[in-house]
Amino acid sequence: AQTVTQSQPEMSVQEAETVTLSCTYDTSESDYYLFWYKQPPSRQMILVIRQEAYKQQNATENRFSVNFQKAAKSFSLKISDSQLGDAAMYFCAYRGLNEGTYKYIFGTGTRLKVLA
Amino acid sequence: GAGVSQSPRYKVAKRGQDVALRCDPISGHVSLFWYQQALGQGPEFLTYFQNEAQLDKSGLPSDRFFAERPEGSVSTLKIQRTQQEDSAVYLCASSLVWVSGHNEQFFGPGTRLTVL
Repeated sequence: AQTVTQSQPEMSVQEAETVTLSCTYDTSESDYYLFWYKQPPSRQMILVIRQEAYKQQNATENRFSVNFQKAAKSFSLKISDSQLGDAAMYFCAYRGLNEGTYKYIFGTGTRLKVLA
Repeated sequence: GAGVSQSPRYKVAKRGQDVALRCDPISGHVSLFWYQQALGQGPEFLTYFQNEAQLDKSGLPSDRFFAERPEGSVSTLKIQRTQQEDSAVYLCASSLVWVSGHNEQFFGPGTRLTVL
């Protein structure tokens, strides 16, 4: 069974600085998708960034980028130029490609605090 | 609609009561998922629908939990004889097409259920 581990329950970053959130996962599949979701206090999960495992190039979305290390099964999120609005819970999620593995498997989350 | 909506946003039930939680997915979305998020944890998969067919209910924690989507749009998650351990946020998500590909799941704001 696939698992997702986020070892940092909480992280803090100064406004305008850079922070990296860690995520590791375990799977026997060769192709899959990885996601980072943001969950603010309103509870609405918002997709931050997505990575297809077959793509070697790391995904980037504006200030958000990932460091995807397939062999190490690591998928970290880097937030550059942190803003107060980035404060939220961040969840790493895994989704397989094979039939029957369509559900997301989430980590336990990292609470990000942004200090003014 | 503009996004996935859920109602009620908050529900307080006395132990032993039955509750019904509603999800309105994005119009035209074929796939619908229910997740349970306990306090301080990541969401955990409960069940999945493709149109009106419930293809996976492996995550439902007991036979007190029942979900339906009779017309392939709105879904209801019903919990019978609620217990304190059922207290959690229940998230609904929908995606546009069949499970293949990197179809993003769009999440609703969740229903926070508190069982006294």
